[in-house]
Amino acid sequence: ETGVTQTPRHLVMGMTNKKSLKCEQHLGHNAMYWYKQSAKKPLELMFVYNFKEQTENNSVPSRFSPECPNSSHLFLHLHTLQPEDSALYLCASSQQVALGDNEQFFGPGTRLTVL
Amino acid sequence: SQQGEEDPQALSIQEGENATMNCSYKTSINNLQWYRQNSGRGLVHLILIRSNEREKHSGRLRVTLDTSKKSSSLLITASRAADTASYFCARGSNYKLTFGKGTLLTVNP
Repeated sequence: ETGVTQTPRHLVMGMTNKKSLKCEQHLGHNAMYWYKQSAKKPLELMFVYNFKEQTENNSVPSRFSPECPNSSHLFLHLHTLQPEDSALYLCASSQQVALGDNEQFFGPGTRLTVL
Repeated sequence: SQQGEEDPQALSIQEGENATMNCSYKTSINNLQWYRQNSGRGLVHLILIRSNEREKHSGRLRVTLDTSKKSSSLLITASRAADTASYFCARGSNYKLTFGKGTLLTVNP
């Protein structure tokens, strides 16, 4: 256990569905991240939040909508996804976004399949 | 590419042998980190080496960093079947980590 939980662990959805992924960290961290991991591709950073403020949107399509209501919770709202969005979505947290050391703690991921 | 790139892509060894994985990068870093991922799971942080450090140890892990060559290596000594996983290097720069594609290590009992 890394102190970062993600729900659901598996999700199958149609292209017209709306669903949300949830991430919670119990580490007292102030920065949270969403990553996408597709087969045979490097881990892709999607969004970064620091003290609830979004500091990075890595050119992610608008069908992915993040929400960070507080430093412990992070959501990824999904709507009208495409089959190529099928991937493992990983949440991570760190003490804060800052220069220097930035060890990140990852959740177990949500395996998303878009039909 | 600004990513950390691991080499080899896959490595298969026998239990008890040492495993060496390499990572190269192209831009300056604050630190370089190694992570491990068991199949379909989240990543687990293994070790962090700062740009002004050359070598670091943690248990059976040894990491080196050569900033002049922009490369790092991860050595796992006396490997065990439980070490079977994917290993990723991540370049730490400012607030971001940039990951490579990883090395799939298989340790055969």
